Amino acid sequence: DAKTTQPPSMDCAEGRAANLPCNHSTISGNEYVYWYRQIHSQGPQYIIHGLKNNETNEMASLIITEDRKSSTLILPHATLRDTAVYYCINFGNEKLTFGTGTRLTIIP
Amino acid sequence: DTGVSQDPRHKITKRGQNVTFRCDPISEHNRLYWYRQTLGQGPEFLTYFQNEAQLEKSRLLSDRFSAERPKGSFSTLEIQRTEQGDSAMYLCASSPRWASGGDTQYFGPGTRLTVL
Repeated sequence: DAKTTQPPSMDCAEGRAANLPCNHSTISGNEYVYWYRQIHSQGPQYIIHGLKNNETNEMASLIITEDRKSSTLILPHATLRDTAVYYCINFGNEKLTFGTGTRLTIIP
Repeated sequence: DTGVSQDPRHKITKRGQNVTFRCDPISEHNRLYWYRQTLGQGPEFLTYFQNEAQLEKSRLLSDRFSAERPKGSFSTLEIQRTEQGDSAMYLCASSPRWASGGDTQYFGPGTRLTVL
């Protein structure tokens, strides 16, 4: 079973920042927080990951709380192409365990 | 394109037939994974390889399923005597285990199987 909890759906206005929360209160010390997204009928796309520190790349920023029990994925300027299902995953061994994710809809 | 590729992208078959899917990982990635995704659910792990060795199989992988990676490069997933419940998207991913890039898994576009 997935060890993370995400809201099932969210809306965000185009051009605004999209903030997607994730709770992972049982995360182990050696587990990373990974984020993937899946646009309809495509394979999951890697976005970003982190262990303790906040991370930023060309796609998004990842904010991890100090106690590591929750995190937030930030898409700074959402576009219509960011409409997708976003998965937050605690990853420490070989296999990824996906939950049902958050369906993010960007509103024009 | 240097990403993970899968073939075919779509497969329609009749119940009881055998099907085989192919996955070509990113070059020099030594780990290769298979996942299955049904409608409305997240992907579920099936099995993975480290080079040519199959290191773990999920209980979802019944004896009708077999996966191989004979030379540590591409992999095949075969389903024998297909059932309607096998209808799903079959996803392949690869990762550069032991490389400086870490264990991030990169997914292919998937093969959508429909069993009639």
